[in-house]
Order: sequence, then C-alpha cells, then structure tokens
Amino acid sequence: EAGVAQSPRYKIIEKRQSVAFWCNPISGHATLYWYQQILGQGPKLLIQFQNNGVVDDSQLPKDRFSAERLKGVDSTLKIQPAKLEDSAVYLCASSLDRRGEQYFGPGTRLTVT
Amino acid sequence: RKEVEQDPGPFNVPEGATVAFNCTYSNSASQSFFWYRQDCRKEPKLLMSVYSSGNEDGRFTAQLNRASQYISLLIRDSKLSDSATYLCVVHQAGTALIFGKGTTLSVSS
Repeated sequence: EAGVAQSPRYKIIEKRQSVAFWCNPISGHATLYWYQQILGQGPKLLIQFQNNGVVDDSQLPKDRFSAERLKGVDSTLKIQPAKLEDSAVYLCASSLDRRGEQYFGPGTRLTVT
Repeated sequence: RKEVEQDPGPFNVPEGATVAFNCTYSNSASQSFFWYRQDCRKEPKLLMSVYSSGNEDGRFTAQLNRASQYISLLIRDSKLSDSATYLCVVHQAGTALIFGKGTTLSVSS
C-alpha cells in the first residue's frame, strides 16, 4: 500500500517569498492533517480536513498560511509571505477517519533565509 | 503548563540497558495515548498505543495512569537500533494528535 506522499522534500526560500507544499494521502483516507515541526519540538497541528471541509484550523497563522483540499483528496499548504520562523518540517498525515491511526508522510523541510 | 510534557533528554545508555521514559499530560479529557518513534530526519511512526491495563510489545512496555495523568515507556535490553526520539502523544476523539517535545535515546555499543 502506498504511503502518504509529499513534495517537494526540501525547499529553501528567502523571507517574504511564497512557497507551496503538496500532499497526497493514502487512498481512501478521509481525514488529512498538516503539522509543523520546528527543530527540537514535537509536531504541532496547523490544520485538519475531513474530506474537503476544515475541522480545525485554530493554530493556523491565517495572515500568512492557507491550505485547501478541494476534491477531498490531495491538499496544498501555502505560506505567503514566509518569515524566518517558518523554517521547519511540514508533515502531512492522513487517517481513515477522525478516530483512526494517523500515517505521516516524509515531510517537506523548509529553510527560510 | 504544556499539554504534554516529557523527560528532558538525551538518554545515553549502553546496549542491553533498560531505560524508562515518562510523560505527563494536562487535559483530563484526553482519551487515547500513544508512543511514536521518530528517527533522525524521518517522519514519526506509531510505536504503540497505551492502555490503562498496561501493554507490552516485545521489549517495550507502556503504562498509563489516568489518575496521575502519567504515561511511561520502558525499553528492556536496548539495541543500537532503538536510538531515536520517542514522542509521547495524547489524543481526544475528533481532534488532532498532541505531541510532546520528544526524548532522544542514544544506545551505544
């Protein structure tokens, strides 16, 4: 079974630039999550989707971050404009439903200079 | 108070040692508890769920004390391949996972 796919794996941008990350969850998984993991910390939820609807985006910095899951499958996370403190690994995870085990993708490592 | 707090690391132990990690959580409404393992520059992967009755998986034993809001992980007969960061994770139904900062284990020969 294919796992959660993410791209790109690495991205380096300058502050104030824009960046987008893509996630393809495991087939059939209704719930999709984006987490931010800063070095030395555990992952922190940014946004949770159930199919194409947002369940929780309370920790998403909405002035610069946006995410969508238009057809209830793939998702994109965008940062515009980026700040130095956005340097982190952005992890996508998916689960069958909101109670199911979450499977993580390999992450996108973002460096903002 | 942080939602999930773990022992500060790193833990440096020789092969064959027994090592224990502790974790406390602040929200008494938490319903599910897990230990995840994260290798360097890799994604977190579920190691085991934690139940009130305690559960064991080979060399790994997890315990939950709901009254004290305390979770533990015991690793017996440590192997070099156990070197990783261990994340304590708490879950309420319908919400995302809440992760601790993680405790780093380094097993040496």
